[in-house]
Amino acid sequence: DAGVTQSPTHLIKTRGQQVTLRCSPKSGHDTVSWYQQALGQGPQFIFQYYEEEERQRGNFPDRFSGHQFPNYSSELNVNALLLGDSALYLCASSLSPDTYEQYFGPGTRLTVT
Amino acid sequence: AQSVAQPEDQVNVAEGNPLTVKCTYSVSGNPYLFWYVQYPNRGLQFLLKYITGDNLVKGSYGFEAEFNKSQTSFHLKKPSALVSDSALYFCAVRDSGTYKYIFGTGTRLKVLA
Repeated sequence: DAGVTQSPTHLIKTRGQQVTLRCSPKSGHDTVSWYQQALGQGPQFIFQYYEEEERQRGNFPDRFSGHQFPNYSSELNVNALLLGDSALYLCASSLSPDTYEQYFGPGTRLTVT
Repeated sequence: AQSVAQPEDQVNVAEGNPLTVKCTYSVSGNPYLFWYVQYPNRGLQFLLKYITGDNLVKGSYGFEAEFNKSQTSFHLKKPSALVSDSALYFCAVRDSGTYKYIFGTGTRLKVLA
């Protein structure tokens, strides 16, 4: 049984560009959350998707947007990249929004130059 | 507003000794509390959770945590530390009225042989 998978593993972008990160949840999970983890910090909640809708959002600007597909996979889009967007982006899935245990993927390391 | 504090950046303990990693929280509603562990080059792994009920919760790998409502704390403990327990530990909280998870900044546990 595959766990949470994310692609790509690493990504280098230039300021002002746009990026799309992808996540496939653990089998049977329908809820996906995205986190940003800066170096030396804890994960920061970006948003959660359930039933193809954004259910909850953290304190991130509108440059951060997402999507969930009917197969429960998800994308995180970041527009107008800033140097400060450089971080590890983590995807987590759970059986439902009310199931508290989250399973995390290995993350995508984004570097903005 | 929700918040989590992990007051120690690093905890050192000798193998075989008991360990404690501290966490305090602040929420407006009822707290849902979690501990995750992050090994190098691996995603976060769920250790244990407190939702309701018994204040002492047991989790994976022999870890346990005690919920103390009056002190708003949720300290992680293990009776006998192993060198393999060396990793980065994160405490997280979710307010019962939201789906937003707040993570602490992490505590690096180093178990010395």
